Amino acid sequence: QSALTQPASVSQSPGQSITISCTGTSSDVGASDYVAWYQHHPGKAPKLLIYEVSYRPSGISNRFSGSKSGNTASLTISGLQAEDEADYYCTSYTDSTTLVLFGGGTKLTVL
Amino acid sequence: QLLLQESGPGLLKPSETLSLTCNVSGASVGSNSYYWGWIRQPPGKGLEWIGSVYYSGTTYYNPSLKSRVTMSSDKSKNQFSLKLSSVTAADTAIYYCARLAAATIKFDSWGQGTLVTVSS
Repeated sequence: QSALTQPASVSQSPGQSITISCTGTSSDVGASDYVAWYQHHPGKAPKLLIYEVSYRPSGISNRFSGSKSGNTASLTISGLQAEDEADYYCTSYTDSTTLVLFGGGTKLTVL
Repeated sequence: QLLLQESGPGLLKPSETLSLTCNVSGASVGSNSYYWGWIRQPPGKGLEWIGSVYYSGTTYYNPSLKSRVTMSSDKSKNQFSLKLSSVTAADTAIYYCARLAAATIKFDSWGQGTLVTVSS
């Protein structure tokens, strides 16, 4: 299986909103409610932001939200802050043999 | 509090076998609620799932690495391990161990990562 497709980079100004897409196929994102999003600051462990398409773990700001339409999942970050500048990755369940696919990652720059 | 800590050699020569261990505290690798796995990040590249092992010993591997990967878990030591054979410079990366919730397929806890460099 190929990795899920994400834009390599996005940028936006502080206080604005940004949406990062994650495109798969009808065999993974399109068929699965198990899409997750992670934030990764260099040198740190990745952090779970969203699971099961749109659920936030305890402690994650409601500025982060997730959705899905067809084969594409999306992460929206509202009220952008400087600390949101990081790499973002999506994952999706794929099948009982391979288990999980990662997106290629998106670098978010807060201008 | 759940803690995952990677350990293993940081420098390997080409053709050697990479061996890493992840020590788990605050949870049991014998739980049927989780898979235990490895993800890596080569310099300047994105995260790549290597594979995961279930409490039963069943393993799941990234097809692109499957021929070189072996994973296992040790309930008595509450740890799990990764072996990657015939390494090349392309295997240079930060290697993370992580817990994957079985019911929701989310990596909900990660180690801090360990850098493995392959160089002659």
